[in-house]
Amino acid sequence: DTGVSQDPRHKITKRGQNVTFRCDPISEHNRLYWYRQTLGQGPEFLTYFQNEAQLEKSRLLSDRFSAERPKGSFSTLEIQRTEQGDSAMYLCASSAGVGNEKLFFGSGTQLSVL
Amino acid sequence: EDQVTQSPEALRLQEGESSSLNCSYTVSGLRGLFWYRQDPGKGPEFLFTLYSAGEEKEKERLKATLTKKESFLHITAPKPEDSATYLCAVTSGTYKYIFGTGTRLKVLA
Repeated sequence: DTGVSQDPRHKITKRGQNVTFRCDPISEHNRLYWYRQTLGQGPEFLTYFQNEAQLEKSRLLSDRFSAERPKGSFSTLEIQRTEQGDSAMYLCASSAGVGNEKLFFGSGTQLSVL
Repeated sequence: EDQVTQSPEALRLQEGESSSLNCSYTVSGLRGLFWYRQDPGKGPEFLFTLYSAGEEKEKERLKATLTKKESFLHITAPKPEDSATYLCAVTSGTYKYIFGTGTRLKVLA
């Protein structure tokens, strides 16, 4: 169990650029989640996958955000045409997918949009 | 819509001064309530899961309790290393976890 891994840890980009983050969950965990967290706030749900299927996506998520988990293992989160309001910590979490059990979080990707 | 409210937003305690953090929730059919600890610049770290009213869990200086409307995280004789943000989350009809805004705890030596 090597934990949930996220890459990169930090990303600085200019407004209008596209960015992509990667998440490697704990092996054999079949549920994978993406959350966004801004300073002083709790994690805000973005989307989650059961294996390769994206089962739910937040209504707050604009069309500029897209997530994939092509083979049910790692996942990517892409933000197109970034805006300053996208600046946040993007957290990935995984769970074994049995009932309502605990999530294991990665250390996150801190995005700064200039 | 499912909602989680945590109070207070921030709490400063002297070392050894016990206190409680509150998590109030509104969900359509609680499946689980979770407590996490988050240190600056890191992802949340799991502490407890509670599934039904009346349930209690303990770990070192922390004790979590659950009623039908709220959960408490009791901290007994805290130490400076307990300083962190404590987050509460719930799941209901789906496997989506809804988090509160957290309580920032600072324990002074």
